[in-house]
Amino acid sequence: GAGVSQSPSNKVTEKGKDVELRCDPISGHTALYWYRQSLGQGLEFLIYFQGNSAPDKSGLPSDRFSAERTGGSVSTLTIQRTQQEDSAVYLCASSFPGGTTRSTDTQYFGPGTRLTVL
Amino acid sequence: DQQVKQNSPSLSVQEGRISILNCDYTNSMFDYFLWYKKYPAEGPTFLISISSIKDKNEDGRFTVFLNKSAKHLSLHIVPSQPGDSAVYFCAASKAAGNKLTFGGGTRVLVKP
Repeated sequence: GAGVSQSPSNKVTEKGKDVELRCDPISGHTALYWYRQSLGQGLEFLIYFQGNSAPDKSGLPSDRFSAERTGGSVSTLTIQRTQQEDSAVYLCASSFPGGTTRSTDTQYFGPGTRLTVL
Repeated sequence: DQQVKQNSPSLSVQEGRISILNCDYTNSMFDYFLWYKKYPAEGPTFLISISSIKDKNEDGRFTVFLNKSAKHLSLHIVPSQPGDSAVYFCAASKAAGNKLTFGGGTRVLVKP
C-alpha cells in the first residue's frame, strides 16, 4: 500500500529485554517522526528525522531509547532494557515538508506498534 | 505545560446534528493546525488542516475555524454520522517539518 507501515503490530516482551520497532514511511516523504501514546495519555513526540539526520531528539525519554534512519527511508526505534513504563503504542508518521504550501507538511500516521512490557 | 488543550473529553450528539469540537493553544509560534480522527487500535487519520494565514477551511462535512487572536480553533462536523464516532485530536506545529503537539483528545459518540 501507499501508506505508512509499521512492524510488528504487537510486541510483548519481558522487562529488561531490548526491542526494535520498524517504520516504513510513505515513499518520497523526507521527514519521519516517532510518537507514542501511553494508556490514558495523549500523543507524545519522541524524535524527528529529516533524511537520515535527527535534528530533534528532544522527546526521547531516556538514553535507553534510540532511533536511526537509513537510506532516507526505513526507520528503527530501539528500546534497550525495557521497563514496564515503556508499555505504549508507538506511532510513526511521515511528511514532505518544504512544499509550496504548508499542506505538504501534513503528517500521515501508521497503524502503530503496541508494546507490552511484562 | 500543555500547549494544546481540548477541554471537553467527550461529546455526544444525535445523528444528523452538528458536532463542534474545540481546541485552545498557548504558543503563538504555532502556524499550522490539524485535526486527526482515531479509532481504537488504529493510528490517527488526518482529517483537515488550516494554516495560520486563514481563518476557515472546509472539506465536505468538515470545517475548521481558526481564531488567532483567541488562540482557539474548532472543528465542525455536519451532519454527524454514526461512523464519525471516534476520538478526535487537534494538533499544532511551529514550522515546516516541526513536531506536532497534540491536545488530549475528545471522544465523540454519534447516536443513531
